[in-house]
Amino acid sequence: DAKTTQPTSMDCAEGRAANLPCNHSTISGNEYVYWYRQIHSQGPQYIIHGLKNNETNEMASLIITEDRKSSTLILPHATLRDTAVYYCIVRPANSGGYQKVTFGTGTKLQVIP
Amino acid sequence: EAQVTQNPRYLITVTGKKLTVTCSQNMNHEYMSWYRQDPGLGLRQIYYSMNVEVTDKGDVPEGYKVSRKEKRNFPLILESPSPNQTSLYFCASSTGQGLTGELFFGEGSRLTVL
Repeated sequence: DAKTTQPTSMDCAEGRAANLPCNHSTISGNEYVYWYRQIHSQGPQYIIHGLKNNETNEMASLIITEDRKSSTLILPHATLRDTAVYYCIVRPANSGGYQKVTFGTGTKLQVIP
Repeated sequence: EAQVTQNPRYLITVTGKKLTVTCSQNMNHEYMSWYRQDPGLGLRQIYYSMNVEVTDKGDVPEGYKVSRKEKRNFPLILESPSPNQTSLYFCASSTGQGLTGELFFGEGSRLTVL
């Protein structure tokens, strides 16, 4: 599995967009980029995923560079409840692809009032 | 309601006393996995299972055992717990097929080994 690199921590003002970067320079052609977040010590929660096109859902947007070596998770209007640790992972797109998956330490996002 | 249920949620035990942390999912998922989380080390995978009777080691399997006799259950067994296994444990499941495959996590089990 490709490994990912994320900044250790970031701050964002409430109401502003939070842009969380992730490097995955060794990603393979058949690997998706997934984002999860963990609030406090709760179980991580799925946010969004993508292969090569930009994706948007009710929670966030995912921008993947054309070479797929990096991506950015965008929370368009950050709220205090978005304060969490955000994990970027990659996994194969084929069936049963999770297998051995490393979450790493993620990015601690602090939303400031 | 779709969920992954872990028990116990909190446990304090002593070194060497065998314990089992249960994990059950009601989504008919093929894939299940155990993670441990320690300060500064993120989530590390202990074991995973692609389906019934199919299990494999993750990054930190030492000191743990698992079994997958039924699709819905994936217990984590500590035969002889040691203090370095004090941690927050998460079970997760996912469908093994399809393009979504998001992981669903349990609420966690906080284990303290004295």
